[in-house]
Amino acid sequence: KAGVTQTPRYLIKTRGQQVTLSCSPISGHRSVSWYQQTPGQGLQFLFEYFSETQRNKGNFPGRFSGRQFSNSRSEMNVSTLELGDSALYLCASSLDGTEPDEQYFGPGTRLTVT
Amino acid sequence: TQLLEQSPQFLSIQEGENLTVYCNSSSVFSSLQWYRQEPGEGPVLLVTVVTGGEVKKLKRLTFQFGDARKDSSLHITAAQPGDTGLYLCAGARSGGYQKVTFGTGTKLQVIP
Repeated sequence: KAGVTQTPRYLIKTRGQQVTLSCSPISGHRSVSWYQQTPGQGLQFLFEYFSETQRNKGNFPGRFSGRQFSNSRSEMNVSTLELGDSALYLCASSLDGTEPDEQYFGPGTRLTVT
Repeated sequence: TQLLEQSPQFLSIQEGENLTVYCNSSSVFSSLQWYRQEPGEGPVLLVTVVTGGEVKKLKRLTFQFGDARKDSSLHITAAQPGDTGLYLCAGARSGGYQKVTFGTGTKLQVIP
């Protein structure tokens, strides 16, 4: 079956702008998690959605938000972009997110903020 | 605060050598996963260990979960260039919904 897809793969934005990233999970997976990966901080958890509800949230400012649709597809939005938001944003899907669920990652969206 | 420390941070070895990567924490995890990530791609799940002392083998890769479920190791026998990548451990806490904490990562380069 098809894997996790993320669009767009690459994005260049200017400071102060906002951006929306999209994630389509594996068919049948209802939990979607978002992560930010940077060379300095590694992979950090942003939030997790299940059945259109945010169940878990990491330690990121309110500029980072997300949502999930009834078909389990998810979007994340970053408003008022800062240079430090440049990162690889990864989406992972799993069946229902209850531990120890196995996560499958998409290829990521590389965001560059100038 | 990084809860999962991996060592070494970088490793460059010749093809055919053996290596071990460590993942340590002061916290107890109810399960631990290992991933491999290649440049430009997302991490790919290699294994999940859930029982203290558990050992799992995946061809030339051997994974061990510590008895106290605070640490784990990944041993690769006779490394091949295809093993090159970023290895990440990730721990999950018990209590329902999965909130995974990733380790600091080990960058492995296997030279032909």
